[in-house]
Amino acid sequence: NAGVTQTPKFRVLKTGQSMTLLCAQDMNHEYMYWYRQDPGMGLRLIHYSVGEGTTAKGEVPDGYNVSRLKKQNFLLGLESAAPSQTSVYFCASSYLTDRVYPIYEQYFGPGTRLTVT
Amino acid sequence: AQSVSQHNHHVILSEAASLELGCNYSYGGTVNLFWYVQYPGQHLQLLLKYFSGDPLVKGIKGFEAEFIKSKFSFNLRKPSVQWSDTAEYFCAVKETNAGGTSYGKLTFGQGTILTVHP
Repeated sequence: NAGVTQTPKFRVLKTGQSMTLLCAQDMNHEYMYWYRQDPGMGLRLIHYSVGEGTTAKGEVPDGYNVSRLKKQNFLLGLESAAPSQTSVYFCASSYLTDRVYPIYEQYFGPGTRLTVT
Repeated sequence: AQSVSQHNHHVILSEAASLELGCNYSYGGTVNLFWYVQYPGQHLQLLLKYFSGDPLVKGIKGFEAEFIKSKFSFNLRKPSVQWSDTAEYFCAVKETNAGGTSYGKLTFGQGTILTVHP
């Protein structure tokens, strides 16, 4: 199993450009997440998905959109990039092992380093 | 909203020194607790986790953590660090509730960079 993969690994954008980050997982996980990592701020949740065709906002959703058309893929889009979106983006996936006492463990991808100039 | 606080931003130790990294969270209900490690240039990896039961949890590579509910803390410890432990360490918390409506969302601390000198 490849686990969680992310494409691309690095990208440089100019202000106002758009791009899409792709996250793929081959573990048949129901839940997927997009985080951004900034120095001194840990990881912050941007958007998440609890299943194919469903998405929800996380802690810092502004300026991003997501889609989950297939269970194994979770796309993060930047419609008009801004320098404040310079960050490292991590995708993660997890599964629910017990519906009565929910237990999850998140598996992370290698990250995408995005620079917006 | 729930918050997670890691007390130290950067810890510098010599090999064989003992390590304790602090983590406190604000949520008063039942939680799942995690420590993740990020080695230079790599993605986050799970170090250890607490769901229930024995509050002293043992993880990989000789790490352990103790959940103290009364102090809302989940400190990470290692008796003797190695140069290869140089990494950034993240504490994370997930609220738990029946029915899974939290959907596994984690709240992360700010991270602690550990530098171990040989």
